[in-house]
Amino acid sequence: GNSVTQMEGPVTLSEEAFLTINCTYTATGYPSLFWYVQYPGEGLQLLLKATKADDKGSNKGFEATYRKETTSFHLEKGSVQVSDSAVYFCALKRSNYQLIWGAGTKLIIKP
Amino acid sequence: NAGVTQTPKFQVLKTGQSMTLQCAQDMNHNSMYWYRQDPGMGLRLIYYSASEGTTDKGEVPNGYNVSRLNKREFSLRLESAAPSQTSVYFCASSEDANTYEQYFGPGTRLTVT
Repeated sequence: GNSVTQMEGPVTLSEEAFLTINCTYTATGYPSLFWYVQYPGEGLQLLLKATKADDKGSNKGFEATYRKETTSFHLEKGSVQVSDSAVYFCALKRSNYQLIWGAGTKLIIKP
Repeated sequence: NAGVTQTPKFQVLKTGQSMTLQCAQDMNHNSMYWYRQDPGMGLRLIYYSASEGTTDKGEVPNGYNVSRLNKREFSLRLESAAPSQTSVYFCASSEDANTYEQYFGPGTRLTVT
């Protein structure tokens, strides 16, 4: 079946460090892939997306590339800030309505 | 625009009690969703409504009912709450069922004792 696996958290980094949060997926066909972010006390919001192989999604300094050969969609940022502290969710969309979610990775950035 | 609003923000119930979680969106979206979020499990879809007048079961519908009251409002009802329903509940909406982006409310934290 379809599934999404994310690295376990929390991930703790110092400000200005390089960030990678790993996401791999299992799916039939060619799903669309997403990263959502949940800031403390808020609902989730879409951070970036990629709809086909080799697409790169980007937003707010974050990037992720759809790698079909490794079934991965890793989230990266070159220099994190304290304001990036949040929970990050990787998800895939099948051909119908449903999003399949990873468990989420909590990111803590220390000043 | 308020986006997606949910009430209440917090609720404590005793086992066997009932309650309704309310959700409303002001973006004229056709599709609405109810999720639960449990530690280490990501989000799981309870029910969704692809369009006004339709509702369908998601991944974990047992113990819940929903009503799509109109295009704006989508409520989730727990008829007889159980401790296993302790969770954070999120309502979301999207332009339609095929749209990539879903917009989420702030969530309701429910504890069943």
